[in-house]
Amino acid sequence: DADVTQTPRNRITKTGKRIMLECSQTKGHDRMYWYRQDPGLGLRLIYYSFDVKDINKGEISDGYSVSRQAQAKFSLSLESAIPNQTALYFCATSDRQGGEKLFFGSGTQLSVL
Amino acid sequence: SQQGEEDPQALSIQEGENATMNCSYKTSINNLQWYRQNSGRGLVHLILIRSNEREKHSGRLRVTLDTSKKSSSLLITASRAADTASYFCATEIQAGTALIFGKGTTLSVSS
Repeated sequence: DADVTQTPRNRITKTGKRIMLECSQTKGHDRMYWYRQDPGLGLRLIYYSFDVKDINKGEISDGYSVSRQAQAKFSLSLESAIPNQTALYFCATSDRQGGEKLFFGSGTQLSVL
Repeated sequence: SQQGEEDPQALSIQEGENATMNCSYKTSINNLQWYRQNSGRGLVHLILIRSNEREKHSGRLRVTLDTSKKSSSLLITASRAADTASYFCATEIQAGTALIFGKGTTLSVSS
């Protein structure tokens, strides 16, 4: 089983819909991240959390929100999806003892029509 | 704007050749990391080099860091078709902060 699991793998939705992407991990890491990947733009940080009570905005947090329900779970929500949020979304984890080496999930491909 | 910028954007070589990718960044860093991504899958960590290190090796990988020039290079020796992937550099500006990624270099190795 994957250490960092993202659900769903693919999602097609319509403009204006609320959507949640979920991430769970079995690595026991305290830090979790959401990144977005667009062709030619690399990965951009949306939100990150260093423990259950900690939420931090990244460089492109507008239009997104997150919830850290437990150490192992970190969900990303789009309150009202828009077409330019079409992208590949990655969840990642790290351990404060591990020098910030990231472990990635397999990604969620989101299409907003 | 992004912290790290890889160069070239795309690189095509033959099996057995060496591949060199470069990363330039804008601010001082705590460490720099290289990741690999196969065909839109999740990224995989390759190597981490700290700001007080100048060179690290891992198997066929060699990473250098020049903090005076704010640049790093990733060398893959004796490339194989299986090395075909996108490679990203990522910087940790301060200890404990989130990584910032560059746009990546797409490497194609043909047999």
